[in-house]
Amino acid sequence: EAGVAQSPRYKIIEKRQSVAFWCNPISGHATLYWYQQILGQGPKLLIQFQNNGVVDDSQLPKDRFSAERLKGVDSTLKIQPAKLEDSAVYLCASSLVRQETQYFGPGTRLLVL
Amino acid sequence: QKEVEQNSGPLSVPEGAIASLNCTYSDRGSQSFFWYRQYSGKSPELIMSIYSNGDKEDGRFTAQLNKASQYVSLLIRDSQPSDSATYLCAVLPGGYIPTFGRGTSLIVHP
Repeated sequence: EAGVAQSPRYKIIEKRQSVAFWCNPISGHATLYWYQQILGQGPKLLIQFQNNGVVDDSQLPKDRFSAERLKGVDSTLKIQPAKLEDSAVYLCASSLVRQETQYFGPGTRLLVL
Repeated sequence: QKEVEQNSGPLSVPEGAIASLNCTYSDRGSQSFFWYRQYSGKSPELIMSIYSNGDKEDGRFTAQLNKASQYVSLLIRDSQPSDSATYLCAVLPGGYIPTFGRGTSLIVHP
């Protein structure tokens, strides 16, 4: 069974630029999560999708971050414009249903200069 | 704000010893509890899940849950240098919005 796929793996941008991350969850997994992990901290949930609907986005900085999950499968997370403090690893995870185990992708390391 | 607290460590144990990792949480309605291991530069991978009070064993790992005291722990028996990593506690409250602790760094020295 293929795992969660993410791209790109690394991205370096200047502040105020835009960036987008892509995630393909495990086949059949209804729930998809985007996390931000800053060095030395645990993952912080940004947004959770159930199929193609948003379950929770209370910690998503909506003035600059946006996310969508078209057709309930792939998802993209966008930052526009980026700030220095957005430098982090962005993790995508999926689970079969909401209360079950999450499986993480390899993450995208973002450096904002 | 739902809280999940872990001692950041590092916790240093000799090879072959028992490593004990602890986690407390604030939401009494929490239903599901997970321990993830994260090697430096890698993404978290599941070690154990536990849903009911008591102990759950899987190989060298034992998860312990006490809902009345709102803590969950992970014991690693016969610790190996390859167990050196950060261990993340994750809690799923009744609303199914997952919250992670900041993780405990474990160092197993030969």
